[in-house]
Amino acid sequence: AAGVIQSPRHLIKEKRETATLKCYPIPRHDTVYWYQQGPGQDPQFLISFYEKMQSDKGSIPDRFSAQQFSDYHSELNMSSLELGDSALYFCASSLRSGVSYEQYFGPGTRLTVT
Amino acid sequence: DAKTTQPNSMESNEEEPVHLPCNHSTISGTDYIHWYRQLPSQGPEYVIHGLTSNVNNRMASLAIAEDRKSSTLILHRATLRDAAVYYCILYNAGNMLTFGGGTRLMVKP
Repeated sequence: AAGVIQSPRHLIKEKRETATLKCYPIPRHDTVYWYQQGPGQDPQFLISFYEKMQSDKGSIPDRFSAQQFSDYHSELNMSSLELGDSALYFCASSLRSGVSYEQYFGPGTRLTVT
Repeated sequence: DAKTTQPNSMESNEEEPVHLPCNHSTISGTDYIHWYRQLPSQGPEYVIHGLTSNVNNRMASLAIAEDRKSSTLILHRATLRDAAVYYCILYNAGNMLTFGGGTRLMVKP
């Protein structure tokens, strides 16, 4: 079965640079979520989209923005990168109109800011 | 947000059953009880969920107390591959998952 695809899997950037992470949800899933997981921490919700509209917003810095496109893929744009942005970034998708609403996670993008 | 309480860590022997407890005394009537696990260096993985009745699937069983203030995830035969952090999360449809205070399960051969 198709899973959530994230690219790139690894990314190294310098401070003050920008980064773009991409997420391709499971086909026919209508909701995309972004989570950030710092070293030794639990995943923290950043933002979500339902049918290409922003749905919920968590602890996402103003330097970050995200959108969902007409083909349902989503991109997380991160500017003015800081050392503290080094983390694993997970994308998840779900079918909100489904019965159980479970979220399916991608393998993550490991961002290292130097 | 309704919170859950889980032990920080648990240990099990391979091929033995494991019971992972979760307390959620402030659960609301519309909250589903979801369990996810995160294996090392991987994204979280959905395990099972329930509302009021006990549930079984190919991965695990979920036993829910009659008052819904606690639940137990049951792995019938732990394998080394089950070593992970297990999160008990109260969830409403379409909302974000709030991860916190999971149980790190260690499985001994």
